[in-house]
Amino acid sequence: TQLLEQSPQFLSIQEGENLTVYCNSSSVFSSLQWYRQEPGEGPVLLVTVVTGGEVKKLKRLTFQFGDARKDSSLHITAAQPGDTGLYLCAATGGAGNNRKLIWGLGTSLAVNP
Amino acid sequence: EAQVTQNPRYLITVTGKKLTVTCSQNMNHEYMSWYRQDPGLGLRQIYYSMNVEVTDKGDVPEGYKVSRKEKRNFPLILESPSPNQTSLYFCASSLKIAGVYEQYFGPGTRLTVT
Repeated sequence: TQLLEQSPQFLSIQEGENLTVYCNSSSVFSSLQWYRQEPGEGPVLLVTVVTGGEVKKLKRLTFQFGDARKDSSLHITAAQPGDTGLYLCAATGGAGNNRKLIWGLGTSLAVNP
Repeated sequence: EAQVTQNPRYLITVTGKKLTVTCSQNMNHEYMSWYRQDPGLGLRQIYYSMNVEVTDKGDVPEGYKVSRKEKRNFPLILESPSPNQTSLYFCASSLKIAGVYEQYFGPGTRLTVT
């Protein structure tokens, strides 16, 4: 069974702090996506990374795909209360299947004012 | 506005009473899917559809049916709901970009079966 492990499971920080959350697997994937889900809403796609070592930035969020395409990280600089939510990673391409998404359980982030 | 809509947003029903959750997208996406989200289990795919009249089972299809008669609509049918189907349900449509399916989710339907 292919698994995506996200850590930490929960994170509570103060506004202005920096943080990094992780998405790890023993499998190699062809692409990896990060989504943010706010309470009462569906997940919203933040970014897709496809190349080993790739780094993408979205304002204060920095996403990196591991060199071996088995892991990814999301770094938030100067977190704000609006960053609060569940951060989910999802990967494709495991076992040669480019259509099926494998989902992590998420990191629940709370940014306190 | 590009969006995926689901109805109803909230539903409380009793065991065995057939129900349908509707899903519609206005982005002309070919790929659509249904998920359920449960604490500790995450998002699990129930069914997906590659195009009109083409549907296939996901990871947890038991107790569910779907149909895809039109590209925009993908209803989820529970013929005889049971309490273990109490969950948060999401419909998603997908756009394939550079070989990768990027998913657009609806707002969710919270279903309680008593």
